[in-house]
Amino acid sequence: EVQLVESGGGLIQPGGSLRLSCAVSGFTVIHNYMTWVRQAPGKGLEWVSVIYSGGNTSYADSVKGRFTISRDNSKNTLYLQMNSLRAEDTAVYYCARTRFGYTYDYWGQGTLVTVSS
Amino acid sequence: DIQMTQSPSSLSASVGDRVTITCQASQDINKYLNWYQQKPGKAPKVLIYDAYKLETGVPSRFSGSGSGTDFTFTISSLQAEDIATYYCQHYDDLPYSFGQGTKVEI
Repeated sequence: EVQLVESGGGLIQPGGSLRLSCAVSGFTVIHNYMTWVRQAPGKGLEWVSVIYSGGNTSYADSVKGRFTISRDNSKNTLYLQMNSLRAEDTAVYYCARTRFGYTYDYWGQGTLVTVSS
Repeated sequence: DIQMTQSPSSLSASVGDRVTITCQASQDINKYLNWYQQKPGKAPKVLIYDAYKLETGVPSRFSGSGSGTDFTFTISSLQAEDIATYYCQHYDDLPYSFGQGTKVEI
């Protein structure tokens, strides 16, 4: 059975850092493209970042230079390191398997990040 | 960046009704479009990929069509369990942006 379980969210002050984790079972992270998508409270979906099976990465302009996507193959876990957090980063963050590089077919349950003083 | 415009932003329909949602891309995206369903408090679920292909296990009352810049998502006979917000998402080029969503209510 495929499962993606995010963790690491919480309340953080502006300028702070958080690392989100997405523990995967049922497939291997290294052999798949993996994406982070976020959703601000009451708002729509926003693509954040992708890591390709070869290790290349890409980011939305809104997070470029502040967020880093990575993976630990031994733990079969995806990460999102978020630095210099801003109020506008407040959202539920989802990890998703990215089939063929563009269809998000398995999702985690999401983890809420709240950036506020 | 490619912008995706969905309409309407919300709609109210009755069980058994045919429901249609449109999605317009700001430039030609060929057939590089997915449709997702999101129920309150849940992660999105892919229903349609490549503009018209039905994801495995998704009921056949859901369908998609279109290419280029104009796309349509249809529920042929609305069921109570279809109450959700629906999003289109292009994948022509990064960033793979989503439409703003269409909330379907009964």
